[in-house]
Amino acid sequence: EDQVTQSPEALRLQEGESSSLNCSYTVSGLRGLFWYRQDPGKGPEFLFTLYSAGEEKEKERLKATLTKKESFLHITAPKPEDSATYLCAVQYGSGFGNEKLTFGTGTRLTIIP
Amino acid sequence: ETGVTQTPRHLVMGMTNKKSLKCEQHLGHNAMYWYKQSAKKPLELMFVYSLEERVENNSVPSRFSPECPNSSHLFLHLHTLQPEDSALYLCASSQVLENTIYFGEGSWLTVV
Repeated sequence: EDQVTQSPEALRLQEGESSSLNCSYTVSGLRGLFWYRQDPGKGPEFLFTLYSAGEEKEKERLKATLTKKESFLHITAPKPEDSATYLCAVQYGSGFGNEKLTFGTGTRLTIIP
Repeated sequence: ETGVTQTPRHLVMGMTNKKSLKCEQHLGHNAMYWYKQSAKKPLELMFVYSLEERVENNSVPSRFSPECPNSSHLFLHLHTLQPEDSALYLCASSQVLENTIYFGEGSWLTVV
C-alpha cells in the first residue's frame, strides 16, 4: 500500500538547537516530493519540491534532502517563528493524468525561546 | 496577500442548512482542488477540476457538491451535513502538467 509517514509527530527544540524532520515513503513512480509549512488556522504554505534522489533545496534556515526512500527537512539554528506544522506530500503515478498526491500527517515543531 | 482566496474563513451551520464555500485563484492556474483537513489525519483530496472539467471525485458523499464555473473560481456547495463533516476545507490551484499546488487559507466549517 502506498504510504507517506512523517516522524516525529511532534518536536520541541530550544532556540538555536538544530534538528531534522523525516518523511519516509513507499510509492511507485515518484514524480515529486513536496514540503509545506502550516501555521495554526491557516492553509499550507509551499516550501520545496524535490524530484530525484540526491537533490537538495535550501531556504533560510531550512534545507530539504531526498533519497530513494525518504526526505529530511533539516532546520539549522531555529527561531521561535519557525514553529509550525511541517507537511510532506508525495506525487506519484505512471503518467499524464494519473498522478496522485498523498500527504503525511505532519510534524508539529515548537521552538522555545 | 495569498494567490488563492477562500470565503468565508469561518462557517457554522446546522445539519439542515445549505451553504457554499467560495474559492478564487489569482495565479493564472488552470487546475483547482478541494481538500479536507481533519485533526490528526492527512489532507484528503475531495475534488479536482482540470481545465474546468471535474477529473477526480474521491468517493465524496453527495452532500458535498462542487462547481467550477471558470478556471479562476471554485465552489463547494454544502447541504444536510453531519457533525463529522466539521473540518478545515482547503482550496488549492496549480498549473496542469506542473507539480506544485498552492493552497488558500482555508474555511473552518462547524456543523452543529
